[in-house]
Amino acid sequence: DVKVTQSSRYLVKRTGEKVFLECVQDMDHENMFWYRQDPGLGLRLIYFSYDVKMKEKGDIPEGYSVSREKKERFSLILESASTNQTSMYLCASSQLRQLTNTGELFFGEGSRLTVL
Amino acid sequence: AQSVTQLGSHVSVSEGALVLLRCNYSSSVPPYLFWYVQYPNQGLQLLLKYTTGATLVKGINGFEAEFKKSETSFHLTKPSAHMSDAAEYFCAVTHRDAGGTSYGKLTFGQGTILTVHP
Repeated sequence: DVKVTQSSRYLVKRTGEKVFLECVQDMDHENMFWYRQDPGLGLRLIYFSYDVKMKEKGDIPEGYSVSREKKERFSLILESASTNQTSMYLCASSQLRQLTNTGELFFGEGSRLTVL
Repeated sequence: AQSVTQLGSHVSVSEGALVLLRCNYSSSVPPYLFWYVQYPNQGLQLLLKYTTGATLVKGINGFEAEFKKSETSFHLTKPSAHMSDAAEYFCAVTHRDAGGTSYGKLTFGQGTILTVHP
């Protein structure tokens, strides 16, 4: 089974702090994604990556950056956390080189961030 | 561009009753469609998916969904609800370019919270 592991389930940070959210997948997937989940808004894509050292902006990239130095690891960075970034963050991965890539995602359990 | 609308942010049913969660999509190319489920304090788990072929798709835990192109819908149903079905459900569509290639990027609906009463 695919396993996507997010390093922290719950975090509490203060406004202005730098925050790192780590995600590791063990199935050699090319694609990795960071989503943000808020009540009533569903999941919104922050950033995604198709390969090492490659990144693309999603729908809501402002205030975030990412890093993908190794294929299995995709990090989300909040350079200066703000209260409106309090949310659930979900990491996901998928395989790129399928005959027909249906886009099925495998998710981690989420990281709930509270910014005070 | 693709988009997804889930009708009803909350649905409440009695145990044993029919479950119907509604999803409509917008896509300029034939879509790939998904239903995911999220139990409390967990990530999302795939329930079922439609890619090509048979329009009635069966998934895990007795759920099924029917792709109706004429109605641009992909509603999720289960004949008899169980208490364990209480969760949040998300409909999603794959981004595909004009040539039909998918790059693994999904657009999600707003989610529907299912409550099951004894």
